[in-house]
Amino acid sequence: ETGVTQTPRHLVMGMTNKKSLKCEQHLGHNAMYWYKQSAKKPLELMFVYSLEERVENNSVPSRFSPECPNSSHLFLHLHTLQPEDSALYLCASSTGWASNEKLFFGSGTQLSVL
Amino acid sequence: AQKITQTQPGMFVQEKEAVTLDCTYDTSDPSYGLFWYKQPSSGEMIFLIYQGSYDQQNATEGRYSLNFQKARKSANLVISASQLGDSAMYFCAMRALSGAGSYQLTFGKGTKLSVIP
Repeated sequence: ETGVTQTPRHLVMGMTNKKSLKCEQHLGHNAMYWYKQSAKKPLELMFVYSLEERVENNSVPSRFSPECPNSSHLFLHLHTLQPEDSALYLCASSTGWASNEKLFFGSGTQLSVL
Repeated sequence: AQKITQTQPGMFVQEKEAVTLDCTYDTSDPSYGLFWYKQPSSGEMIFLIYQGSYDQQNATEGRYSLNFQKARKSANLVISASQLGDSAMYFCAMRALSGAGSYQLTFGKGTKLSVIP
């Protein structure tokens, strides 16, 4: 069983649709993250949760809405997206963020907005 | 603010040869950590190696070593004895080890490594 599982792997949606991305971690970690990976740009941190409390929202547009119901699950709710939101969305988890704490990533959801 | 620069968009290396992937960084934080991740075509980011700014010795993990030159603000990844499975995107990243933003892992744009048989 992989440590961090993301579903779906691929998603195509219209600008008026509502969809959700799901992330589940089986590592017993306390922190979960959403990152956006666009072509030719560095990974961008979108949201951070620690023990189900949101720690950071990096000025992400309100059309992205995260939800962390427990320390194992993280969702990203999407509505009225724009074509420029097409990207790979990566979920990650960690025990915390002290010194050499590494992030464990899922395989991502490749999102295409038409 | 932190910044990571990877100047090599793409690199080629012959199988069994060594290769160095460049990474320079900029930060005002007194202590920080540097990471390298590998991203194969499957999409998952895989942790490779970590170096703390206070570490006296360069980090090594199997075939991976980190050439850390603090004065030059560089943290190059060296892969020895390249294998076909090393073909992937490689990302350098850093995190401040103190302060309110220590959860933030800042990434570079990456280097695409292709290993030639």
